Amino acid sequence: GNSVTQMEGPVTLSEEAFLTINCTYTATGYPSLFWYVQYPGEGLQLLLKATKADDKGSNKGFEATYRKETTSFHLEKGSVQVSDSAVYFCALSEKGNKLVFGAGTILRVKS
Amino acid sequence: GAVVSQHPSRVICKSGTSVKIECRSLDFQATTMFWYRQFPKKSLMLMATSNEGSKATYEQGVEKDKFLINHASLTLSTLTVTSAHPEDSSFYICSARVGAQAGVYNEQFFGPGTRLTVL
Repeated sequence: GNSVTQMEGPVTLSEEAFLTINCTYTATGYPSLFWYVQYPGEGLQLLLKATKADDKGSNKGFEATYRKETTSFHLEKGSVQVSDSAVYFCALSEKGNKLVFGAGTILRVKS
Repeated sequence: GAVVSQHPSRVICKSGTSVKIECRSLDFQATTMFWYRQFPKKSLMLMATSNEGSKATYEQGVEKDKFLINHASLTLSTLTVTSAHPEDSSFYICSARVGAQAGVYNEQFFGPGTRLTVL
């Protein structure tokens, strides 16, 4: 079946550091890929998405590129802020719109 | 953006009692709502999908008699954990979706979750 694997956290960075959170997936077909973010006390929010190979999703300085050859969708940001502290979930969806999530990665950014 | 609320945010109950969790779409009508369960350090696992006015569709391994889902209106779905036991302790999250356009992803909007602890 479909699955998503993302790096375990927590990831602790200083402000303005470069961020990478790795995500790889297993799917039978050609899924759409997503990153969701969950700030403390809030629901998951869609951060960015990519629907086909080589697409790059971007939002709020975050980027991720759909790499079919490596089945990956790594999240990156060039300079993190304290306000980026949250839990980040990688997810995929195939035709039925059912979301399959990774375990989530806690990001802590120190000032 | 679309807002989804859940109530209560946390609940503690005794073993054998039933607990009801509400999920509301505050500023849109949700034709479909989803219920997820999240274990510590684990991913969200879809429990069931409910469409307004019809029976919920449960994922494999989810006991429908234990986790009763009602989606009586376009803005409200409820999850009732019946005869709760300590192993039902978990974080329950709902999401709501407006449409169901075939072949494309239709965005889900998530509630903040409900922490259930069964003593």
